[in-house]
Amino acid sequence: AQTVTQSQPEMSVQEAETVTLSCTYDTSESDYYLFWYKQPPSRQMILVIRQEAYKQQNATENRFSVNFQKAAKSFSLKISDSQLGDAAMYFCAYRSFGSGGYNKLIFGAGTRLAVHP
Amino acid sequence: EAQVTQNPRYLITVTGKKLTVTCSQNMNHEYMSWYRQDPGLGLRQIYYSMNVEVTDKGDVPEGYKVSRKEKRNFPLILESPSPNQTSLYFCASSLVGVDTQYFGPGTRLTVL
Repeated sequence: AQTVTQSQPEMSVQEAETVTLSCTYDTSESDYYLFWYKQPPSRQMILVIRQEAYKQQNATENRFSVNFQKAAKSFSLKISDSQLGDAAMYFCAYRSFGSGGYNKLIFGAGTRLAVHP
Repeated sequence: EAQVTQNPRYLITVTGKKLTVTCSQNMNHEYMSWYRQDPGLGLRQIYYSMNVEVTDKGDVPEGYKVSRKEKRNFPLILESPSPNQTSLYFCASSLVGVDTQYFGPGTRLTVL
């Protein structure tokens, strides 16, 4: 069974600085998807960024980028120029690629990010 | 507006009193799923449905029931709630085979 581990329960960063959130996963599959979700105090789950395992290029979305290391099964999220609105819980998630359209997401425990002015 | 709705958003109940949390989506998605979120555990899947009348257990199905009589609706039923079901619940939907899931706003359930 696949597992996702986020080893940093809490992180903090100064406004305008850069922070990296760690995520490792375990799987025997070769094709899969990885995601970072943001959960602000409103509790809404917001998709930040996604990565297909068959793509070697790291995904980027504005100030958010990932460092995807397939062999090491590592998927870290880098937030550049941190803003107060980035303060939230961040979840790393894994999804199998196939299995007849099986869309189950497997989540890590989350990392709570605080942004200080 | 494409969205997943859940009701109620907040619920406080007592042990043993049957309750239903509704979930509805307006995107014609085949796949719907329920997750619960607990501190230190992230989100875990309770049940999922691949289409109307097709449901299956996720990782933590004990104490829950679901039904899928219409494509847009996927209610979560707790027939005899217990305090260990106090949690934050999310409904999600997507097209089958598509990676992006849409989440509802969450339901905070407290069982006394």
